[in-house]
Amino acid sequence: ILNVEQSPQSLHVQEGDSTNFTCSFPSSNFYALHWYRWETAKSPEALFVMTLNGDEKKKGRISATLNTKEGYSYLYIKGSQPEDSATYLCAPISNFGNEKLTFGTGTRLTIIP
Amino acid sequence: DGGITQSPKYLFRKEGQNVTLSCEQNLNHDAMYWYRQDPGQGLRLIYYSQIVNDFQKGDIAEGYSVSREKKESFPLTVTSAQKNPTAFYLCASSNRRGLTFFGQGTRLTVV
Repeated sequence: ILNVEQSPQSLHVQEGDSTNFTCSFPSSNFYALHWYRWETAKSPEALFVMTLNGDEKKKGRISATLNTKEGYSYLYIKGSQPEDSATYLCAPISNFGNEKLTFGTGTRLTIIP
Repeated sequence: DGGITQSPKYLFRKEGQNVTLSCEQNLNHDAMYWYRQDPGQGLRLIYYSQIVNDFQKGDIAEGYSVSREKKESFPLTVTSAQKNPTAFYLCASSNRRGLTFFGQGTRLTVV
């Protein structure tokens, strides 16, 4: 089992504030990291696929960084809006050739209007 | 439209009965997965398949079975051996190490 940890488990943020949370994963045999957003009553939706150390990806107000040497990725949300309320999941993929997609427990983000 | 379809959305099962959850994709993806979510927990991998006629156990395979006779289809059977089957089940598919797409989920309740 890939040991994936996400922190914090839950987070309440005032509308308009910025926030960030972490995904930690084993740095050995790293191939890629996926971030997903999962809104209540919907399917998880892919946000980013990150592969290179130092990579930074951006989608609107959401961005993510990747450190493969130390085994972590940060997800940042700038100027939080109510529609950002969701559970954010990360899933690292190893280089073993076994594409077993294992998710962290997620960070449940609630934006307070 | 391309996508991944799970059915049914809600399912009720009597104790001791087997039940099969359907998952179909028309994305031409090689890999398909089944996950389970319980309240307050993340997604746990039940079974996955990287190619037709082949599948592997995930982290919580006991009490479940799958088949992969066609690329498009990856049905999951929840057997009577599964001690606590009430949960939300998600099916997913992906191309090789690429983005993963999820179905809408099936909520199974044992009555």
